[in-house]
Amino acid sequence: QVQLQGSGPGLVKPSETLSLTCTVSGYSTSSGFYWGWLRQPPGKGLEWIATIHHSGSTYFNPSLKSRVTISLDTSKNQFSLKLNSVTAADTAVYYCAREGRVGTTRFDFWGQGTLVTVSS
Amino acid sequence: EIVLTQSPGTLSLSPGERATLSCRASQSVSSNYLAWYQQKPGQAPRLLIYGASSRATGIPDRFSGSGSGTDFTLTISRLEPEDFAVYYCQQYGSSSYTFGQGTKLEI
Repeated sequence: QVQLQGSGPGLVKPSETLSLTCTVSGYSTSSGFYWGWLRQPPGKGLEWIATIHHSGSTYFNPSLKSRVTISLDTSKNQFSLKLNSVTAADTAVYYCAREGRVGTTRFDFWGQGTLVTVSS
Repeated sequence: EIVLTQSPGTLSLSPGERATLSCRASQSVSSNYLAWYQQKPGQAPRLLIYGASSRATGIPDRFSGSGSGTDFTLTISRLEPEDFAVYYCQQYGSSSYTFGQGTKLEI
């Protein structure tokens, strides 16, 4: 069974960098799927942030692209997100997910979510 | 950016009833790239439908998806108590994903 476990600080100061890691078990990140980050502000809807593939291809939400870095470490079966220059508007539950892109697109396995609060 | 508008915002029904949830896109979406998710409080979203009409693994057959172009529908044929949740549609286009704002299905 594919499982994803996100981890990282729950509190980040304004203007600093948010860093999260997702550890994947039950599936190799060097195989045929993509790996993505999404977020959900409290009481609001879902927003896609970025996606990476083991080939090195990366994809970004245009509204966040200038502040986002996504990376993949297949040896550790982990992928990571960095979001710089955070503000209170970046407070959200951050989800990591496996993404399918062959034929159809969908996020089929999700991590449990990590609440990140931006506050001084 | 393709905007997805879901209706209604809230749907009040009873167990055993049929639920019809709508997702309308601001421009045409490939059926291959339309998915539906269910989210319960405090949980991550769960994939229900992908490719507009294909059920994800383990999803009961009371859930069905249909539609094409700009109009898509999620139907739950006979509501079970565990179906009361928030439902999101999602599309992929122009190398980017967007989600609808959600429909809350309440008892």
